[in-house]
Parts: sequence; C-alpha cells; structure tokens
Amino acid sequence: ETGVTQSPTHLIKTRGQQVTLRCSSQSGHNTVSWYQQALGQGPQFIFQYYREEENGRGNFPPRFSGLQFPNYSSELNVNALELDDSALYLCASSTELLADEQYFGPGTRLTVT
Amino acid sequence: SQQGEEDPQALSIQEGENATMNCSYKTSINNLQWYRQNSGRGLVHLILIRSNEREKHSGRLRVTLDTSKKSSSLLITASRAADTASYFCATYIYNQGGKLIFGQGTELSVKP
Repeated sequence: ETGVTQSPTHLIKTRGQQVTLRCSSQSGHNTVSWYQQALGQGPQFIFQYYREEENGRGNFPPRFSGLQFPNYSSELNVNALELDDSALYLCASSTELLADEQYFGPGTRLTVT
Repeated sequence: SQQGEEDPQALSIQEGENATMNCSYKTSINNLQWYRQNSGRGLVHLILIRSNEREKHSGRLRVTLDTSKKSSSLLITASRAADTASYFCATYIYNQGGKLIFGQGTELSVKP
C-alpha cells in the first residue's frame, strides 16, 4: 500500500463529455504527477503540480488540466473527451519536487465510447 | 515520447528459472527505476539505481546500470508464479522537473 488513493476505479464516458478524476496523496506529499497509460504501453507524463502550481507538462493538449488542493488531494480534468483518451490514469505523489521515489495510486480506468 | 526501450516485450519462463529484462534509454539520467504492474493496476516501485551506481540488489532482484551504453537490466532470480506481471523501467532526470519517463514494458509470465 502506497497511501495514495484514486477515485473512481472505473469510469465510462461518451465522446465529447468532460471527466474529473481524483487523487488523494499522503499527508506531507507536496508534489503530485499524473500519467496516462494506454493499453499495452508505458505510462506517459501528463503534468506535475507542486504546492498547488503546475510545475511541468508533457505533450498533452490544454483540454487536460489539473488542480492540487492544500489537503493533499488533486484532480485531473479532461474536456471534450476523445476515443483515444481511453486509458488508465495514474497519479503519483512525493514529498518534494525532486524526490527520487514517487508513490503511485491504483489508477482510474477511463473508457470513452 | 518514450525514453526507454525494453527488451524483450514478452517473456515466458518456468517457476524457479531466472528472468532477465533489459532497458535502454537515450539521454543522461540521474537515476533509473524499475516498477511492477499487475493486471493493469497501479505501479509498484521495485528498485532505484543512481547514475553513479553500477549494481544494486534487493531480495531476489538484481539491477545493473551501464551509463556508457545507456542501458540497464533487471534480473529476478528463482522466479515464482506471483512474479507474473508487467515490468517497466523509468528514467528520472532532475532538470526535466522530476518526471519519470517510462519504457513500454516487459510482460513476464511465470508458469507453475
């Protein structure tokens, strides 16, 4: 157990809809990163938040956005869902910005039909 | 984009045998990490090796790192059916904001 939880576990949405995924980190973990993992692929970095500010972003369009809250929870929002957004979404938290170890949650499986 | 390339993509062995997975990457790194993933669920951190280390052990796991060849290997000794999972290497580069860059993974199947 990493102490990182994600909700919901599974989600089915229709193309064009919007979705919010949630992550709850351990107390004291100031950094949270989000990853997208398509079937059969390795996780791809979406973005990272540090102390409630976006700190870095991967090659994802602006319709992927996030929030981090003072209570160590965070959200990933995806607007105008596309079929290719179907994936496992993982959040990972760490104690500091350049901490070597990141603690992953169990993921949210999003299916877009 | 994927930094790492893993080899083989799939590996099937018998219980008790050793399993070796390889990872190659493209740019200089601060450390390299190996993760395990069971059935498309969350990632479990296995072991981290820093750029100034050449070999590291943890239980039945042995990791090597060759920075001159930009490659790493993960050896699982005396494999068990419970080791069946996907294994990913991930590189960590401080000046890229601390993000992990994953390879595509090796799917390991250990038959009892």
